[in-house]
Amino acid sequence: KAGVTQTPRYLIKTRGQQVTLSCSPISGHRSVSWYQQTPGQGLQFLFEYFSETQRNKGNFPGRFSGRQFSNSRSEMNVSTLELGDSALYLCASSFHGKVDEQYFGPGTRLTVT
Amino acid sequence: QQQVKQSPQSLIVQKGGISIINCAYENTAFDYFPWYQQFPGKGPALLIAIRPDVSEKKEGRFTISFNKSAKQFSLHIMDSQPGDSATYFCAARGMAGNMLTFGGGTRLMVKP
Repeated sequence: KAGVTQTPRYLIKTRGQQVTLSCSPISGHRSVSWYQQTPGQGLQFLFEYFSETQRNKGNFPGRFSGRQFSNSRSEMNVSTLELGDSALYLCASSFHGKVDEQYFGPGTRLTVT
Repeated sequence: QQQVKQSPQSLIVQKGGISIINCAYENTAFDYFPWYQQFPGKGPALLIAIRPDVSEKKEGRFTISFNKSAKQFSLHIMDSQPGDSATYFCAARGMAGNMLTFGGGTRLMVKP
């Protein structure tokens, strides 16, 4: 069974631009969560989607948004990029019957210049 | 506010030794405590996890010890190997859904 896939793997953007990252969960998984990983702040929860509904949201500004499609694939969007948004963005999926076990993708490395 | 504190930040262990990483939490609503292992350039991989109604869980060379009254839990890696060299994160879940709060991470180096 294929793991969590994220595209693109690397991205370079300029301040003020917006970016969309994509995540395809493991087949059969309906919960998708997003995390931001930086050297200074570590791993921080962004939001979680289950059955196309946002179930939880972390403490991030409204520039960070996401959505989930009927096939459980998810996207996150960051508008008006700032230098501090440079990070590894990780997506994790879990099976609705075993919500404890979250499996992470390889991440998208976003660099904002 | 950091709700899960992890120590040490870095750890050097000789091959065959025991690696011990500790975490402490504040929120008594946390109900699930996983450990993740992350290699450079990769996403975190679920290693082992425990619920607070259990004091210890062992899977192969990896053991979680859990002290509910002290609000602490730890990861023990027995017979540490160079291939175990990675960054380890403890985490805790306490809300409905799957929001994980992570510790700051421990960079483990196992010397051959």
